[in-house]
Amino acid sequence: EAAVTQSPRNKVTVTGGNVTLSCRQTNSHNYMYWYRQDTGHGLRLIHYSYGAGNLQIGDVPDGYKATRTTQEDFFLLLELASPSQTSLYFCASSVDRDTEVFFGKGTRLTVV
Amino acid sequence: GDSVTQTEGPVTVSESESLIINCTYSATSIAYPNLFWYVRYPGEGLQLLLKVITAGQKGSSRGFEATYNKETTSFHLQKASVQESDSAVYYCALGDRGTGYQNFYFGKGTSLTVIP
Repeated sequence: EAAVTQSPRNKVTVTGGNVTLSCRQTNSHNYMYWYRQDTGHGLRLIHYSYGAGNLQIGDVPDGYKATRTTQEDFFLLLELASPSQTSLYFCASSVDRDTEVFFGKGTRLTVV
Repeated sequence: GDSVTQTEGPVTVSESESLIINCTYSATSIAYPNLFWYVRYPGEGLQLLLKVITAGQKGSSRGFEATYNKETTSFHLQKASVQESDSAVYYCALGDRGTGYQNFYFGKGTSLTVIP
C-alpha cells in the first residue's frame, strides 16, 4: 500500500504567521497534490506537481505557495496566514495523472 | 459546470441494515468522466473504495457497490448489510481521465455511523 506522510498533523498559528506543511511519499510517484477541505465543501485542489521542481496551480491557489524539492517531498507554504485558511489539508500522490491517487491522513491547521 | 452532489449527512444506520448514499454528477466539460467512491475512516487518510471508468459498469469492494449511470448521471453507493466497521466518511468524486485526475470534483462527504 502506497504511503503518504504529512507533518505536522495539527498546527495552530496566529494571523500573519508563516506556516509550512510537509508531505513525503516514498512510492516513486510522479504526481503530488495539496487539497483543502472545509466544512460544507468537498476537497479542493490548491496546487499540484508532476515532478521535482515542477508546480502547477490548482483551483484555489490564492494565499498559498508550494514547492516540490525532490521526487518525495512537496511543501505547502502559507506566508501570511489568515483565519480563512483554517482548514483540513490533505496531501496526495499518484504514479501518473490517470492512476490511483493515495492520500495522507491530513493536517488540521487553525489560524487564530 | 462540473460538480458532484451527494447525500447530506450525517447518516445513522443500525448494523445489518441496508445503506444507500446518493451521488449525482454533472460532467458538462469532461470528455472522459470517471467516477469514484473514497472513504475516510477516523484518523486515516482517504482511501479509494471503488472506481468505475465506463458508463453502465458496476464497481464493487468490501461489500459496497456502485453503478455508473450515464442516463441519470448517478453513482449511488449501496451495501446490503452494513457493519459497525463501516462507520466513516464517504466521498463521491468525479475525475477527468482525459486531462488527469488532478481535476477531481469531490462531493462534500457523507458521514456514516453504524449503530451496533
